[in-house]
Amino acid sequence: QKEVEQNSGPLSVPEGAIASLNCTYSDRGSQSFFWYRQYSGKSPELIMFIYSNGDKEDGRFTAQLNKASQYVSLLIRDSQPSDSATYLCAVVDTGFQKLVFGTGTRLLVSP
Amino acid sequence: SQTIHQWPATLVQPVGSPLSLECTVEGTSNPNLYWYRQAAGRGLQLLFYSVGIGQISSEVPQNLSASRPQDRQFILSSKKLLLSDSGFYLCAWSVWLAEDTQYFGPGTRLTVL
Repeated sequence: QKEVEQNSGPLSVPEGAIASLNCTYSDRGSQSFFWYRQYSGKSPELIMFIYSNGDKEDGRFTAQLNKASQYVSLLIRDSQPSDSATYLCAVVDTGFQKLVFGTGTRLLVSP
Repeated sequence: SQTIHQWPATLVQPVGSPLSLECTVEGTSNPNLYWYRQAAGRGLQLLFYSVGIGQISSEVPQNLSASRPQDRQFILSSKKLLLSDSGFYLCAWSVWLAEDTQYFGPGTRLTVL
């Protein structure tokens, strides 16, 4: 059973701080990794994806991937109250045309 | 650009009644299609996925079924709803081996009473 693990939180950070969200996965063969944001009562929306080891930056968001440690993270710089949501990590299930999702980390950014 | 539609947006149904939820995708051909359920405060549970017309893979044995009568149409059905079927039902699409990214529809919130 392929698994994706996330701390459920909530992770509380003050406005302007860096929020660090972490995810580990069990399938060593996974090649593609995704971060989604889900506001309460809404559907998940893609933030970014990463395929290669290292960092990938997009605006205030940075995804970090370490395949040797089977670890992927999302950093949110200058956190805003509007970033308060649940963040879902997803990993491609190698050999099947689907994603495996973690249960999500709830982020709370206080003004 | 691609668009995914789901309807209805909200549904309240009695236990034992049938269910039909519809999902359609515009702006792409031969997408992979997925049905997820999210119970209150829980993670996403993959129910079914389809890589082509008439091709359905079931992830969890239950009283739900799925069909794909057209390339860009995906239907989730039940003959008799259970209380445990309540939740937020999400349809998603992807173009595999392109980005592998899944894009979600707006969802249907189902309450079974």
